[in-house]
Amino acid sequence: GPKVLQIPSHQIIDMGQMVTLNCDPVSNHLYFYWYKQILGQQMEFLVNFYNGKVMEKSKLFKDQFSVERPDGSYFTLKIQPTALEDSAVYFCASSLREDTQYFGPGTRLLVL
Amino acid sequence: GDSVTQTEGPVTVSESESLIINCTYSATSIAYPNLFWYVRYPGEGLQLLLKVITAGQKGSSRGFEATYNKETTSFHLQKASVQESDSAVYYCALGDRGYAQGLTFGLGTRVSVFP
Repeated sequence: GPKVLQIPSHQIIDMGQMVTLNCDPVSNHLYFYWYKQILGQQMEFLVNFYNGKVMEKSKLFKDQFSVERPDGSYFTLKIQPTALEDSAVYFCASSLREDTQYFGPGTRLLVL
Repeated sequence: GDSVTQTEGPVTVSESESLIINCTYSATSIAYPNLFWYVRYPGEGLQLLLKVITAGQKGSSRGFEATYNKETTSFHLQKASVQESDSAVYYCALGDRGYAQGLTFGLGTRVSVFP
């Protein structure tokens, strides 16, 4: 089936530093999403993105978070500055329309 | 807010036995939720197993079935005879019809099938 790729698979970073998580969505998809999963908890929606704009964000999407998809390439999640509570697995997803979302394998982020 | 509750794992079952994973949902902000089962096999990413968008309908895939029951707000996943390759983590989720909103997931149920 369609594949979503995420780079890197793991990232360790010091608190206060900036991190960028990259997502390579399915090539013809138009809607993009980020989710966050803390160990032992359920995966939770952060934000979605369409036509160059954030459509909806949850209360987990802090001011330190930002998303973009420059020039139709990677869909990125940037956290600046990072905090200890940002340690989690971040999943990217994409969909062609307002329907089935396809997920990447996740980026495991550890903030020290 | 919306929520999904599913069978707490881990669930252990022998090959060729039946499996049921319960899922109930609460969709307070969505009038017509879409319901999904996603699966993560060991070492792989989350992938869609099946989805149903109409109450009363049944979805099926890879021998698994789930029926969208609006009266009981349930979407239980069943398989009559599991195989070792069904060992995975299963996630029930709900979303809004016609809107590219974020899905609401359950905690996931880890299933281990032994030969």
